[in-house]
Amino acid sequence: GENVGLHLPTLSVQEGDNSIINCAYSNSASDYFIWYKQESGKGPQFIIDIRSNMDKRQGQRVTVLLNKTVKHLSLQIAATQPGDSAVYFCAENEAAGNKLTFGGGTRVLVKP
Amino acid sequence: DGGITQSPKYLFRKEGQNVTLSCEQNLNHDAMYWYRQDPGQGLRLIYYSQIVNDFQKGDIAEGYSVSREKKESFPLTVTSAQKNPTAFYLCASSTQAMNTEAFFGQGTRLTVV
Repeated sequence: GENVGLHLPTLSVQEGDNSIINCAYSNSASDYFIWYKQESGKGPQFIIDIRSNMDKRQGQRVTVLLNKTVKHLSLQIAATQPGDSAVYFCAENEAAGNKLTFGGGTRVLVKP
Repeated sequence: DGGITQSPKYLFRKEGQNVTLSCEQNLNHDAMYWYRQDPGQGLRLIYYSQIVNDFQKGDIAEGYSVSREKKESFPLTVTSAQKNPTAFYLCASSTQAMNTEAFFGQGTRLTVV
């Protein structure tokens, strides 16, 4: 079936550098995308979202880019900090079913 | 405070026993979801409910059952038919409005011995 997937399972980044996490999706009916951050033993926390009528959205230190042509989503974290170490998930929502489907996750390790 | 609460945080059961995980929300959300997460893996959808007294199977519903008798509650029963029940279980809720985020509870770690 159609699903959301990630290219990189683990990303090591130097503190202060920028991080880029990628996500591929295949459901062309998906019109809403979310990035979540999950720390060990906790539930996922919302980071940023984007609707399909946009191609870029910025938050505090984070930017999400959506390329509908190639069905690709990315999360950019500026000036990565030790507190950014976590697993990051992209999720897609198909409006008709209001069902949130998650990708496999990327672990980000920030080196001091 | 508004939020979504899962209990207990840790749960141990003997093989062959059914066990029910609690999920309660006071956010007035219509939709609720149950996900399973295995170590180093992503979240897989077990069941979801968009309205009271209605629910749909997710991708891995076999061996699980749910009920939605009240808007604020969506308990998940892990039955003895579930072959590998040991996992981290996450409950979430969202409004019925299109394109809104889901809020997650802190999870229940179930260990079956």
